[in-house]
Formats: sequence, C-alpha cells, structure tokens
Amino acid sequence: DTGVSQDPRHKITKRGQNVTFRCDPISEHNRLYWYRQTLGQGPEFLTYFQNEAQLEKSRLLSDRFSAERPKGSFSTLEIQRTEQGDSAMYLCASSPRGAVYNEQFFGPGTRLTVL
Amino acid sequence: DAKTTQPNSMESNEEEPVHLPCNHSTISGTDYIHWYRQLPSQGPEYVIHGLTSNVNNRMASLAIAEDRKSSTLILHRATLRDAAVYYCILRGIQGAQKLVFGQGTRLTINP
Repeated sequence: DTGVSQDPRHKITKRGQNVTFRCDPISEHNRLYWYRQTLGQGPEFLTYFQNEAQLEKSRLLSDRFSAERPKGSFSTLEIQRTEQGDSAMYLCASSPRGAVYNEQFFGPGTRLTVL
Repeated sequence: DAKTTQPNSMESNEEEPVHLPCNHSTISGTDYIHWYRQLPSQGPEYVIHGLTSNVNNRMASLAIAEDRKSSTLILHRATLRDAAVYYCILRGIQGAQKLVFGQGTRLTINP
C-alpha cells in the first residue's frame, strides 16, 4: 500500500503524559499537513510543511504541541502534558509538488484518548 | 476563509442519483470549489473540484451555478459505499494549502 500511513492508530494515555505520533506521507509528496478532528466536527488544520520547512501553524497549536519533519520525509507530532481536551483524531495528509490546489491524500488517523 | 453552507444530513436510496447542495455566497473570483468525503472510520478523501465550469470524473459531477454562489455535487447512482460525510470547501489564493472543513452533509443511503 503506497498511501499515507500513521502510527499508532490508537493511543490511550493519562493526563499529563507526553505522546508522539508519526506520519509517513506518500513517497515524493513534498507537502505534509496535520489536522485534528473531534467527534461530530470536521477536521481542523493544525500545521503544514513544505519539505522540511514548517510554513504555517494554526492558533490551535498551543505551546504543548510541536511538529517536525526532518529531511522532508516522515513527520512527527508531539503533544506534551496531555489534557483531556486533546482527545481527538489526529489526521495527516500529503500532497504532491505543483499547484497548491492539488488534492490532499489523508491517512487513516491516530485516535488519541486522554484519561 | 470564505464560508460554505451545507445541509446537516440527507438521505437517498441505493442506485438513485443524489444531489448534494452547497452555498458559498461570499466566494471570490479566484476561489476553487473542492469536495471531499469522509467514510466512517477513515480519513477524508478527495472527490472533485472546479472553478467555473461543470466538472466530471469517475466518482461524481460538480455543477457550479453561473454566479458561482452555489454548487451541487452529483452522485449519479448512489451505492451503500457512498454513505459518508461530504464536505464542500473553498480554496482561495490566500491559505490555499490548508483545507477549511465545515460540518459537512451526512449522507445516508438506504438499500
């Protein structure tokens, strides 16, 4: 399967713990995005990378959140000192070079539950 | 970000056409109209997009009003697999790299 992959698919953690999620985009896609989706809502944009550069961050991305994309390949999203409000599905997407209107290909998501 | 308005839910029968409306009265001349859908327990997937002219692909058709203030996603023959939440999204020059999702329309297909 050559789609976007995310790991883990599910994560249960206790409040105050740190968690890290990984996203592997489609090979040679230079753009990578993170979104968060809470129950019953549409996904909300968190951050965007072009190659290894983080070009945009949403105000939703508090100081406890950090994302990286070393070498412009896979990306990680870390949440420090998790809170119950962080419980959500975290979605990663990638898109190829070319027009910014190119379609985004989404992974299956990582569901985070903070107890 | 320009806003879109969609019905919360719609219902249709299998093998019948489905017309999903979207209003975007504040659309600007350079905004593209994109549709994504999200099947249960999956990430969203691209369906179709257009600017001014109607568009067709293997999944659906997109009909865009002449004034561009509304559009309709058309599924020509719905199957049970088309049951999903459908999102109508405007992508303009500013911030085009991110998708701004609304609530979408939850489509139920009856067998």
